[in-house]
Amino acid sequence: DSGVTQTPKHLITATGQRVTLRCSPRSGDLSVYWYQQSLDQGLQFLIQYYNGEERAKGNILERFSAQQFPDLHSELNLSSLELGDSALYFCASSVEQATYNEQFFGPGTRLTVL
Amino acid sequence: DQQVKQNSPSLSVQEGRISILNCDYTNSMFDYFLWYKKYPAEGPTFLISISSIKDKNEDGRFTVFLNKSAKHLSLHIVPSQPGDSAVYFCAVLGEAGTALIFGKGTTLSVSS
Repeated sequence: DSGVTQTPKHLITATGQRVTLRCSPRSGDLSVYWYQQSLDQGLQFLIQYYNGEERAKGNILERFSAQQFPDLHSELNLSSLELGDSALYFCASSVEQATYNEQFFGPGTRLTVL
Repeated sequence: DQQVKQNSPSLSVQEGRISILNCDYTNSMFDYFLWYKKYPAEGPTFLISISSIKDKNEDGRFTVFLNKSAKHLSLHIVPSQPGDSAVYFCAVLGEAGTALIFGKGTTLSVSS
């Protein structure tokens, strides 16, 4: 158990819908990262937050957004969903902003868009 | 274009033998490299890392070798055990020093 929790574990929804994925980092970790793993791709970095502020952006679509709240939990919002958004979404956390430190991953949320 | 490549999608090894997983990267500016292991229905877990100032790092049965001139790293597992069966991801720390750039993974199967 990495100490990072993600809810829900599974999510099935229809095209055009909007969903919210939730992540609670390990106690004491200030950085939260979101990654997407689709069938034909490895893990792709989406976005990072550090202590409530956006720190880095990767291949995140404009239809996707995220935020980190004062209690450090984070939410990833996916809107106008398309079939291609079906993937595993992982959240990771680390103590520092720049990660020569280990990133700890949650178990992921499997999103299926029908 | 992929910055981190794991060209072997799968590897099968017998228990007790050596497993060698390979990874190539494209950017010579990368200076920190990691291996993560992933079991089904779980998130990736950190295994071992190496900084570009070293060419080898060892942790128990796991050793990572870095060849900077070839932009290549490898993970050696000796001896391999059935519990090592998992997907292994090579990753590099991106130039911004925050996000990890992952390869697509190699599925290792260790048979007893």
